[in-house]
Amino acid sequence: DGGITQSPKYLFRKEGQNVTLSCEQNLNHDAMYWYRQDPGQGLRLIYYSQIVNDFQKGDIAEGYSVSREKKESFPLTVTSAQKNPTAFYLCASRLIPNYGYTFGSGTRLTVV
Amino acid sequence: GIQVEQSPPDLILQEGANSTLRCNFSDSVNNLQWFHQNPWGQLINLFYIPSGTKQNGRLSATTVATERYSLLYISSSQTTDSGVYFCAVTRQAGTALIFGKGTTLSVSS
Repeated sequence: DGGITQSPKYLFRKEGQNVTLSCEQNLNHDAMYWYRQDPGQGLRLIYYSQIVNDFQKGDIAEGYSVSREKKESFPLTVTSAQKNPTAFYLCASRLIPNYGYTFGSGTRLTVV
Repeated sequence: GIQVEQSPPDLILQEGANSTLRCNFSDSVNNLQWFHQNPWGQLINLFYIPSGTKQNGRLSATTVATERYSLLYISSSQTTDSGVYFCAVTRQAGTALIFGKGTTLSVSS
C-alpha cells in the first residue's frame, strides 16, 4: 500500500539533546512538508521541499533543520536551539501539480 | 502573510443535528482545502474547493472566492464526525498550505 510513514509515534527527549523525526513516503510525491501542532492551534509550517536537495523555511523554522537527499525521505531534526519543542509533528506530501496533500499519522515529541 | 480564521472554535451537537463551519481568509487564494483530524491525530482531506460548491455524502462545501470565505456543511451528524475541522489555503502555486486554528466538533449520541 502506498502511503506516508512517520516514526516513531511517540518520542521523549531530554533537554539539550537533538532528535530526528523520520518521514518516508512511497507515493512518488514530489513535495514534502513538516508541520507542528500545539494544543488548540492549527498546523504551523516548519519546512517544505519541492525537489530533492532543495527546501524552504516555513513560518517557524528556527531551531529545526531538514534534509532532502532522497525523494522518498524528509527527516526533521529538532535541535537544542528549539526552546519549546514539545508538540505533535505532522509530515505531508503532495504530487505536483496536484493539490491533494497526504498526511502521516504524526510523531508526538515530549521533552522531559 | 495570509490570515485564515475559522469559526466557531468549538461546536457541540447531538447526533442527527446539522452544522455549518466557516472559514474566512484575508487575501485571494489559488487553493483552499478542508481537512478532518480524528481524535488520534490523523488528517484526512475532505474537499479541494478554491471556488464553487462540492458535495460528498453528508458533507458539502461552498467557497465564495470574491468574498473570501468558505463554508463546510455537515448534515445528520454522527459521533464519528467528531474531531477537528481545518481550513487551509495557499496564496499562490508552489507555496505550502496555511492552516486556520480549526473548529473542534463534538457529537454525542
